[in-house]
Amino acid sequence: AQSVTQLDSHVSVSEGTPVLLRCNYSSSYSPSLFWYVQHPNKGLQLLLKYTSAATLVKGINGFEAEFKKSETSFHLTKPSAHMSDAAEYFCVVSLLFSGGYNKLIFGAGTRLAVHP
Amino acid sequence: GAVVSQHPSRVICKSGTSVKIECRSLDFQATTMFWYRQFPKQSLMLMATSNEGSKATYEQGVEKDKFLINHASLTLSTLTVTSAHPEDSSFYICSARDPAGVVGEQYFGPGTRLTVT
Repeated sequence: AQSVTQLDSHVSVSEGTPVLLRCNYSSSYSPSLFWYVQHPNKGLQLLLKYTSAATLVKGINGFEAEFKKSETSFHLTKPSAHMSDAAEYFCVVSLLFSGGYNKLIFGAGTRLAVHP
Repeated sequence: GAVVSQHPSRVICKSGTSVKIECRSLDFQATTMFWYRQFPKQSLMLMATSNEGSKATYEQGVEKDKFLINHASLTLSTLTVTSAHPEDSSFYICSARDPAGVVGEQYFGPGTRLTVT
């Protein structure tokens, strides 16, 4: 069965320090993986996506993630946190059915707090 | 990039009434749209998959007679919450899949906050 686990429900960092949000997935085939960000009372914004091309994926706002098949991980990182990065982050795996029908499975989310 | 809109962004209704939420793909044709529900401080839960011109596929535990979905055109899907009750209060988010886009990628609307009093 396919699933995604975000290992930390809350992460707190100081502005200017690195960010690491952890995500492990379970999939019986090579998955498509995504990271989305959600600011309070807002919709979802795509940060980056992995679709079996380069394993190191660069996204918007300085975020990147590395797909590690041996560790079944897709951790999200940023070298230097900014106050505006404070939000909820979701790791998402895509299930693909025959006929091209797909369904997204969301992790529980990680709330990132950034302190001055 | 692909844009999905939702209307209204917020709605307050009285218990027992029905509320319709619209989801539109603005610059692409979406053969498939999805409806999610999000409770405070929780993740998104898929409610149903809406296919243009056919019946929606509901996830286990979602009442299809309560949450009516209509995907009447390639750019519009609607979710109607019938006989709403306070426990239906939630953040409802739609998404759409662009057939010409990356496999598995969905574009999300900004969400609709429903409050039932």
